[in-house]
Amino acid sequence: QKEVEQDPGPLSVPEGAIVSLNCTYSNSAFQYFMWYRQYSRKGPELLMYTYSSGNKEDGRFTAQVDKSSKYISLFIRDSQPSDSATYLCAMSEFGANNLFFGTGTRLTVIP
Amino acid sequence: DARVTQTPRDKVTEMGQEVTMRCQPILGHNTVFWYRQTMMQGLELLAYFRNRAPLDDSGMPKDRFSAEMPDATLATLKIQPSEPRDSAVYFCASGLGQGLAFFGQGTRLTVV
Repeated sequence: QKEVEQDPGPLSVPEGAIVSLNCTYSNSAFQYFMWYRQYSRKGPELLMYTYSSGNKEDGRFTAQVDKSSKYISLFIRDSQPSDSATYLCAMSEFGANNLFFGTGTRLTVIP
Repeated sequence: DARVTQTPRDKVTEMGQEVTMRCQPILGHNTVFWYRQTMMQGLELLAYFRNRAPLDDSGMPKDRFSAEMPDATLATLKIQPSEPRDSAVYFCASGLGQGLAFFGQGTRLTVV
């Protein structure tokens, strides 16, 4: 079993829909939780960064962390065609340097 | 505009040839990572450095891969000899710890 599990999709939604992306993990020592967005033939771009549990909002994006359930989510409101990309979750332990990535969920927003 | 710079962007080489990929981390970042991305495996950590010292290279095939940081502005990843199964996109990322990493645009390697 991988330390981080993520549904690979693909996921297709109409423009304007709310998108929910999720990851589960097994390592209770993870303290830092990130979401990266990767466009085709580009490098992963850091989208959201949270420490420990709770919610973080940035524009149309909301990241949630539930450490008791070992579950993190990324919500995208009013989705746009420009949101079409692969979304990767990543996690790290406190004091550690390396990140553990999910396999990524490919999202397509249809105009 | 601070960014991680990788060269070359694309590389096609014949099996058995040496391949060198270069990375310029963001100035001031003390942690540098090398990742490999394939459709089947996703992002795999090959090696990472902190303050130019290698901390973990357990993800690399030691017989053919090597990673170095000759100075704070340059990280290299070498494959010798290259094999078709090495075909992938190789990413360099840099950060300041605490889980943060900023990625370059990658080197797309094709070994024929």
